[in-house]
Amino acid sequence: SYELTQPPSVSVSPGQTARITCSGDALPSQYGFWYQQRPGQAPVLVIYTDSERPSGIPERFSGSRSGTTVTLTISGVQAEDEADYYCQSTVSSGPYVVFGGGTKLTVL
Amino acid sequence: QITLMESGPTLVKPTQTLTLTCTFSGFSLTTNGVGVGWIRQPPGKALEWLALIYWDDDKRYSPSLKSRLTITKDTSKNQVVLTMTNMDPVDTGTYYCARPLYSGNYPYFDYWGQGTLVTVSS
Repeated sequence: SYELTQPPSVSVSPGQTARITCSGDALPSQYGFWYQQRPGQAPVLVIYTDSERPSGIPERFSGSRSGTTVTLTISGVQAEDEADYYCQSTVSSGPYVVFGGGTKLTVL
Repeated sequence: QITLMESGPTLVKPTQTLTLTCTFSGFSLTTNGVGVGWIRQPPGKALEWLALIYWDDDKRYSPSLKSRLTITKDTSKNQVVLTMTNMDPVDTGTYYCARPLYSGNYPYFDYWGQGTLVTVSS
């Protein structure tokens, strides 16, 4: 089965830049999407189509891709950004939806 | 305003069938391109996509769970129902319904319900 690989955890100090990666063999031909999930809450879409930001999402959230990896970057991290982050893509043969294993962002 | 809300039992016994309902508002499953999906999350673990149903009754299932899942829609009630057979304790988790948007033919989810916690235990 197809997998998306994320680091289990990333830690940064307030004001620094956090980068969360997501790797998958099909990513060069599939879009990447990112969700933020705070404890006890439903996921929230923060990046779609690799690098687009939905209305209401702060500008400090950005996305990029390079080869088999998509990256979520949070510039000037704030305490409120502490959450789990999940990447999502698709398997074109379905199309099926697949999520990464999630990354816990800790703001020190 | 788009909202989705999951409902169903909070406790099911092993081997039983789970039936969950997603009741939504602010969009219609009779509109071209619209769908509703289900995603679950075991406690402390990652999100897992389960199924999608589209306005034209096209249905997609997670390959690993396809034999156990059925997704249906009732457009008159603005509801989507997910059934999962032969429940096991490993199926314990929060079950979300969500509305997909599309990049090309590929879905992602912009609106989510609050989720409903289902525990599988005898």
